[in-house]
Amino acid sequence: QKEVEQDPGPLSVPEGAIVSLNCTYSNSAFQYFMWYRQYSRKGPELLMYTYSSGNKEDGRFTAQVDKSSKYISLFIRDSQPSDSATYLCAMGRSGTSYGKLTFGQGTILTVHP
Amino acid sequence: GAGVSQSPRYKVAKRGQDVALRCDPISGHVSLFWYQQALGQGPEFLTYFQNEAQLDKSGLPSDRFFAERPEGSVSTLKIQRTQQEDSAVYLCASSPRRDRGAYEQYFGPGTRLTVT
Repeated sequence: QKEVEQDPGPLSVPEGAIVSLNCTYSNSAFQYFMWYRQYSRKGPELLMYTYSSGNKEDGRFTAQVDKSSKYISLFIRDSQPSDSATYLCAMGRSGTSYGKLTFGQGTILTVHP
Repeated sequence: GAGVSQSPRYKVAKRGQDVALRCDPISGHVSLFWYQQALGQGPEFLTYFQNEAQLDKSGLPSDRFFAERPEGSVSTLKIQRTQQEDSAVYLCASSPRRDRGAYEQYFGPGTRLTVT
């Protein structure tokens, strides 16, 4: 079993929909949580970075962390065709191995006009 | 400002050849990372530098893989005697922070390596 599980999709939604993307993890040492967006043949782009449980909002994006359930989510409101990409969750441990990110497989999202 | 740049963007190598992949991090970033991304998968950690010091190389898959950052800026990932299973996208990331803060990482476009 992988340390970080992410449904690869693909997920297809109409423009304007609310999108929910999720990851689960098994290792309680993960304390730092990130969401990246990756367009085809590009590098991942950092969208959200959170440490504590709860919600963090940035424009149309909301990141949610539930450490008790080992579950994180990214919500995209008013989705646009330009949001079509692969979304990767990533996690970092406390203690040693600072900086080493463990990624999920990525969810492919298509927003159609 | 300028982001992380990587060169070459594409590399085709015959099995058994040595390759060198270059990463230019964002100016002033102290932390630098290399990841390997197989098709349809998330990136997997290879190694971490803080300035010129290689603090973690636990992800390097074999002793054929070697990374350096001699002056604390540009980094090179070298793969000796390439094998077909080395075919992947190699991503470089940098961070202005160290230690716990180094989770805030900015990625380059990657080098797509194909071993034939």
